[in-house]
Amino acid sequence: GQNIDQPTEMTATEGAIVQINCTYQTSGFNGLFWYQQHAGEAPTFLSYNVLDGLEEKGRFSSFLSRSKGYSYLLLKELQMKDSASYLCAVRDSNYQLIWGAGTKLIIKP
Amino acid sequence: ETGVTQTPRHLVMGMTNKKSLKCEQHLGHNAMYWYKQSAKKPLELMFVYNFKEQTENNSVPSRFSPECPNSSHLFLHLHTLQPEDSALYLCASSQDFEVYEQYFGPGTRLTVT
Repeated sequence: GQNIDQPTEMTATEGAIVQINCTYQTSGFNGLFWYQQHAGEAPTFLSYNVLDGLEEKGRFSSFLSRSKGYSYLLLKELQMKDSASYLCAVRDSNYQLIWGAGTKLIIKP
Repeated sequence: ETGVTQTPRHLVMGMTNKKSLKCEQHLGHNAMYWYKQSAKKPLELMFVYNFKEQTENNSVPSRFSPECPNSSHLFLHLHTLQPEDSALYLCASSQDFEVYEQYFGPGTRLTVT
């Protein structure tokens, strides 16, 4: 079966750095995505990785290792507005997105 | 504002009711999707339309019936639902089915009583 694993909930402090991990087992691989979803709102696209390595975009970075079936989302200089759920999704060989259950990130002052 | 709108935002319906959810995208995209999001569970893909043609139906019960009259509009018709169907229903669109970024609407919070 296909499976995406990520922690259910994480807590971090404003101004700090947090890393949200995602491991996957899917039928084929055509890219990995991170989305952010604030409570009661639509998920919004954060990043896309298809090759191994680190993609940096401002305070957010995403890393991929295809051989390990592993990715992480790194958030720096945390702000209160970063409190949200972070969804990891993998596109399989049929170009379908397989989603994780999301990681709820709580930022404390 | 993602360019994808959904109505209604909240819906309470009895098990014998018939209702419809509406999604509209203003992005010129060719692919549209219906997802179900339940608490602490992964997003479940329900239906995919690419160029108005249904390409995916992930074993969704027949009490959910999609309709895509054109590439900008998507409907989800609901009838004789069960309480376990209560969830957030999200619509999304993308340029094409194989293009990576999907744009989501704010969702319809459905409660079945």
